Amino acid sequence: ETGVTQTPRHLVMGMTNKKSLKCEQHLGHNAMYWYKQSAKKPLELMFVYSLEERVENNSVPSRFSPECPNSSHLFLHLHTLQPEDSALYLCASSQDMFSTDTQYFGPGTRLTVL
Amino acid sequence: AQTVTQSQPEMSVQEAETVTLSCTYDTSENNYYLFWYKQPPSRQMILVIRQEAYKQQNATENRFSVNFQKAAKSFSLKISDSQLGDTAMYFCAFMKRTAGGTSYGKLTFGQGTILTVHP
Repeated sequence: ETGVTQTPRHLVMGMTNKKSLKCEQHLGHNAMYWYKQSAKKPLELMFVYSLEERVENNSVPSRFSPECPNSSHLFLHLHTLQPEDSALYLCASSQDMFSTDTQYFGPGTRLTVL
Repeated sequence: AQTVTQSQPEMSVQEAETVTLSCTYDTSENNYYLFWYKQPPSRQMILVIRQEAYKQQNATENRFSVNFQKAAKSFSLKISDSQLGDTAMYFCAFMKRTAGGTSYGKLTFGQGTILTVHP
């Protein structure tokens, strides 16, 4: 379970705060993903990065800002969030975006917005 | 757009028995992949099994097998000899396969089924 790590594991923030979620993969993969998992809803793909370039932005509000400085690290910067943004945020990686390689998931960050 | 539906929010089974989780999907695509992922409580989501739509043979992985009915757009997961460690939320997922064999890495998930295995 150490292939994809995420920090912090839990985060509570107010609507005016700015925080960042971090994801790191130790698998040598070239593609990384952010997903949102809300209660009673399917996982929603938010962003896809391939070789540090964003290739998918799934109509995500601008209060979520991703950053991929290198192929091993992925950040999700959060600002002026809403209570409905409370969810489990999952990071995943795969060898290549253009394949059906298995996606390996991190443990997630449980975010609560007050 | 593709949709994936898991109609069973919760299931339970006795240890050592067999349970089947249902999944249906809606797509106009002919080439795609289907997956079952497992998310144990407070642990990472992991791949259980995958199926290529062009293969007629149902995929199996040890105690896990699928019943893939392409015409019916159904993809159920059977867990044999259930173990306590199988307790988890199970997600069915779909990935389109383009004509060039690429997929864009985009998984579409169902709502999930919480499976509890009782001793």
